[in-house]
Amino acid sequence: EAQVTQNPRYLITVTGKKLTVTCSQNMNHEYMSWYRQDPGLGLRQIYYSMNVEVTDKGDVPEGYKVSRKEKRNFPLILESPSPNQTSLYFCASGRLGGQGTVAKNIQYFGAGTRLSVL
Amino acid sequence: AQKVTQAQTEISVVEKEDVTLDCVYETRDTTYYLFWYKQPPSGELVFLIRRNSFDEQNEISGRYSWNFQKSTSSFNFTITASQVVDSAVYFCALSEGASGGYNKLIFGAGTRLAVHP
Repeated sequence: EAQVTQNPRYLITVTGKKLTVTCSQNMNHEYMSWYRQDPGLGLRQIYYSMNVEVTDKGDVPEGYKVSRKEKRNFPLILESPSPNQTSLYFCASGRLGGQGTVAKNIQYFGAGTRLSVL
Repeated sequence: AQKVTQAQTEISVVEKEDVTLDCVYETRDTTYYLFWYKQPPSGELVFLIRRNSFDEQNEISGRYSWNFQKSTSSFNFTITASQVVDSAVYFCALSEGASGGYNKLIFGAGTRLAVHP
């Protein structure tokens, strides 16, 4: 079954304790992205990757890191989490078509990771 | 600048009522895509529809219909004969495509729909 898998689904942590949220897709997609969802703001892009070893900042990258060592995985790293990073996080992936755009512009989302930083 | 506005924060209806969710967008691109996603209480994002800027034809899928009007930069979503299972947060989103951009989805703030029995 084609899917984007995020782990963990729920996480409670304390300020400053490094954590990683994993994202894996089995569709051989080149493009992957992380979003955070906050009340009244919708979803905002954190980072994205066009392919292995190619990553770039989205709109709200501060406090986050990513890596893309393998095509299927795109982990989101919080080196020193703070309470303002409490949010619902989504990973998404898509197949790239021509000119660097996602084919048919359709992205597939994971089920979300709810993070609370105390 | 790109922007998506969903002015309705919350809507409450009684089952079988029709309901329209509004979406207004801003973009300078001539080629772009518009989307609707549903987020049920379980939290996942469910893709509902994608529409490109060159196709203004309205679409109907069962009880769902979408009205795309470039003249007013709107992409409204109507649920006919609403049901309790329609209760969710609905997001409208925009993606600009022709310039080979990085495929970012720009989301509105969402509209929470509550359908009561």
